[in-house]
Amino acid sequence: GAGVSQSPRYKVAKRGQDVALRCDPISGHVSLFWYQQALGQGPEFLTYFQNEAQLDKSGLPSDRFFAERPEGSVSTLKIQRTQQEDSAVYLCASSLLGVGEKLFFGSGTQLSVL
Amino acid sequence: KNEVEQSPQNLTAQEGEFITINCSYSVGISALHWLQQHPGGGIVSLFMLSSGKKKHGRLIATINIQEKHSSLHITASHPRDSAVYICAVKAAGNKLTFGGGTRVLVKP
Repeated sequence: GAGVSQSPRYKVAKRGQDVALRCDPISGHVSLFWYQQALGQGPEFLTYFQNEAQLDKSGLPSDRFFAERPEGSVSTLKIQRTQQEDSAVYLCASSLLGVGEKLFFGSGTQLSVL
Repeated sequence: KNEVEQSPQNLTAQEGEFITINCSYSVGISALHWLQQHPGGGIVSLFMLSSGKKKHGRLIATINIQEKHSSLHITASHPRDSAVYICAVKAAGNKLTFGGGTRVLVKP
C-alpha cells in the first residue's frame, strides 16, 4: 500500500473486554514496530518484528499484551482483559530494514477503555 | 531523569519567526530522528541524523554527538508548522526512545 494503515481508527472497549488492533505496513518493509502513546506524552516502545520474528517484546507492559506477525506482513496487537490504564493511542511503524532508517508511521488506533 | 529531554515543552511564535527546538540525550546513540505529529494525525518522519546537519525546505536539523545534543530549526515559520515535534534516539538494538515532544503553535 501507499502507507502504513491501522485499523480501527478508534476503539471503545468496556473494562475486561479483549481487543485486537491491526497494522498493515508498507509492502516489503522488513521491520515493524508497535508503540503506545499516552495523552500528552511521547510514544513508548512496545515490541519489534523483523519479518515474522518478534525480536524484542521488552516494552509490552504485561502478559495481557500480545503481538504477532505470522506471515511477515500484517501485524496484530491484542490486549486481553483491558484495563482503564490501557487507554492510549497505539501506533504502528514500519521501515525497510530497521530504526537506523526512515520510519513510516500509521495514524494510530485510539483505544478508550471505559 | 528521562533518557531524552526536549525543550521547550511548548512554544508559541508569530508567523515568520525563526524557531529552535532542542533535544538532549544521556546515552550513546547511533541515530536520532526528528518527527512531526499533527493533532489527531499520525507521525511523519522529518529527519534521521547520525552526524552533522540536514536541511529540507525550511527545516534544518543538526546534531552534536560529543555533546549529546540535537536541534531542529524552522525558518520563516508558518501556521501550518503548528504541530508537536518529537525527538527519538536509537541506542542499542532496534528500540527507539522518544522525548516528550515540543508543542509548537505558530500564530498568523
